[in-house]
Amino acid sequence: DVKVTQSSRYLVKRTGEKVFLECVQDMDHENMFWYRQDPGLGLRLIYFSYDVKMKEKGDIPEGYSVSREKKERFSLILESASTNQTSMYLCASSLTGGSGVGRTSSSYEQYFGPGTRLTVT
Amino acid sequence: DQQVKQNSPSLSVQEGRISILNCDYTNSMFDYFLWYKKYPAEGPTFLISISSIKDKNEDGRFTVFLNKSAKHLSLHIVPSQPGDSAVYFCAASQEYGNKLVFGAGTILRVKS
Repeated sequence: DVKVTQSSRYLVKRTGEKVFLECVQDMDHENMFWYRQDPGLGLRLIYFSYDVKMKEKGDIPEGYSVSREKKERFSLILESASTNQTSMYLCASSLTGGSGVGRTSSSYEQYFGPGTRLTVT
Repeated sequence: DQQVKQNSPSLSVQEGRISILNCDYTNSMFDYFLWYKKYPAEGPTFLISISSIKDKNEDGRFTVFLNKSAKHLSLHIVPSQPGDSAVYFCAASQEYGNKLVFGAGTILRVKS
């Protein structure tokens, strides 16, 4: 079974603090993702990575950065936490898909960690 | 601009009856669709999926229907059980790129 773990289940931080959220997957997946989940807004993609040291912005990257120094680990960094970053943060990983007939159902599925509930006060 | 929409924030169903969760999308380039289930304080877990070349996929009590012309898909749960109470997310993917686009989710409550 794919296992995606996140360093903390609950975090409380103060405004202006630098916050690190860590994510580790054990299935040698190439792709890793960070989302935030807010009521009524679903899962919104913050950043993703296709390979070590590679990163791409998602839909809401402002106020966040990421680091991927090793294939199994993907870190989300809040440079200066603000109250509007209070949310549930979810990490996910997936295999790299091929294209056309090479693409299988397993290429699409993302596996999620348990989430980190971050509160910024 | 929401490319994947779940217009019903919540749904309440009696145990044993059918639950129907709906999802609409706008991007005709989406080629694969997935449903995820999420319990409170847990990460989403994959439930069922369908390729754009099919119109139906069934797995036990769960069936997903795809209507490409209407850009609409639905998840049917029959019979519904109290343990099905969760948030259900619809997600869509394009061939190029490994991203999923998620809807806002529908909270399903199954009453016993």
